[in-house]
Amino acid sequence: GAVVSQHPSRVICKSGTSVKIECRSLDFQATTMFWYRQFPKQSLMLMATSNEGSKATYEQGVEKDKFLINHASLTLSTLTVTSAHPEDSSFYICSVPGLGLYNEQFFGPGTRLTVL
Amino acid sequence: KQEVTQIPAALSVPEGENLVLNCSFTDSAIYNLQWFRQDPGKGLTSLLLIQSSQREQTSGRLNASLDKSSGRSTLYIAASQPGDSATYLCAVSDTGRRALTFGSGTRLQVQP
Repeated sequence: GAVVSQHPSRVICKSGTSVKIECRSLDFQATTMFWYRQFPKQSLMLMATSNEGSKATYEQGVEKDKFLINHASLTLSTLTVTSAHPEDSSFYICSVPGLGLYNEQFFGPGTRLTVL
Repeated sequence: KQEVTQIPAALSVPEGENLVLNCSFTDSAIYNLQWFRQDPGKGLTSLLLIQSSQREQTSGRLNASLDKSSGRSTLYIAASQPGDSATYLCAVSDTGRRALTFGSGTRLQVQP
């Protein structure tokens, strides 16, 4: 399966600051990556679809100006949480769809964001 | 809009017991269904993927079945072990949309 990395794995920041999370596909190029969010004791919810070379597609209720996504290359997508607030504290995880017909999703290890 | 439900929300069993986790989805027009394992504070580990045309998949002590017409899937774990303790997530990929819709998970505790 594909290897997907995320950086950082954990970040603690003050309210009002911006945080950038990187998602890298290490062994194949990905024109599409997905960003999910998981609040404590809840399941994963899709936030947005990151598209290489074009604008990201956001799910309903996700503020595109707050969660900036940049898919600058075929192996890297970044999610920037701008002016983070305590309610943005969550587990952010990205996935990369496989190249085969099965559409198997390969997930990064996730980033735990805590906003004080 | 696709909705995925998992029952039970939590399950505690003694070691060695066989168990079944249930997953249901509202829109049967799925492309595939995946079962994942998530350990506390960690990412996801893919367990099994079933294509919409398949009925079941097996990997070791795990067997996943899919009844697309009724919108149901089950994950069967044989001879459970304490190391199986984790949250198990079911997720579906809709036709034409490659992102996953997740269920809320079943938190499994296998007691030694």
